[in-house]
Amino acid sequence: LAKTTQPISMDSYEGQEVNITCSHNNIATNDYITWYQQFPSQGPRFIIQGYKTKVTNEVASLFIPADRKSSTLSLPRVSLSDTAVYYCLVAVYSSASKIIFGSGTRLSIRP
Amino acid sequence: SAVISQKPSRDICQRGTSLTIQCQVDSQVTMMFWYRQQPGQSLTLIATANQGSEATYESGFVIDKFPISRPNLTFSTLTVSNMSPEDSSIYLCSVGRLALTGYEQYFGPGTRLTVT
Repeated sequence: LAKTTQPISMDSYEGQEVNITCSHNNIATNDYITWYQQFPSQGPRFIIQGYKTKVTNEVASLFIPADRKSSTLSLPRVSLSDTAVYYCLVAVYSSASKIIFGSGTRLSIRP
Repeated sequence: SAVISQKPSRDICQRGTSLTIQCQVDSQVTMMFWYRQQPGQSLTLIATANQGSEATYESGFVIDKFPISRPNLTFSTLTVSNMSPEDSSIYLCSVGRLALTGYEQYFGPGTRLTVT
């Protein structure tokens, strides 16, 4: 499984756009990039997944450059409720996949 | 999606005792996963439980300490045996699904265990 590196923590303010970058230099051809969000006292929640270029859903956007050695999770106009830990994971997925979590980025949003 | 429930939600146990955590999923799944999350830390995978076969444990985790049962496709249990304060943690069960958007893993609410 490809190792990922992401900032330990980030701070921002309500209404700002937040970009969290993850490095995965050893990503393999068949690997997908996935981001999870975890609020205190809850299990992680799937946010978004992508293979290349850009993926957007109602929660976030995921930007993946052509070399795929990094990815950026973009959260538009954050609110206090976006305060959470965000995990970047890289793996080949099948119906039998297991997920190994890295250290995550602790995002704190201030008023 | 998948709805996962765990029992108990929390417990305080004495060292040397054992606790069994139950995980129930609202639909049939082939594989279930058990994680541990110590305070302020990321999640660590303990084992993968496949219905009808022995669980597969990750490095650092053994069956004698964390026996797992998987009697059917919607249920699993994890036992934390002969507990010590170092076992104080949140234990989460999880299932994975292939969806149109890709592979998604769903997590239960966790069981917060404190060992005194």
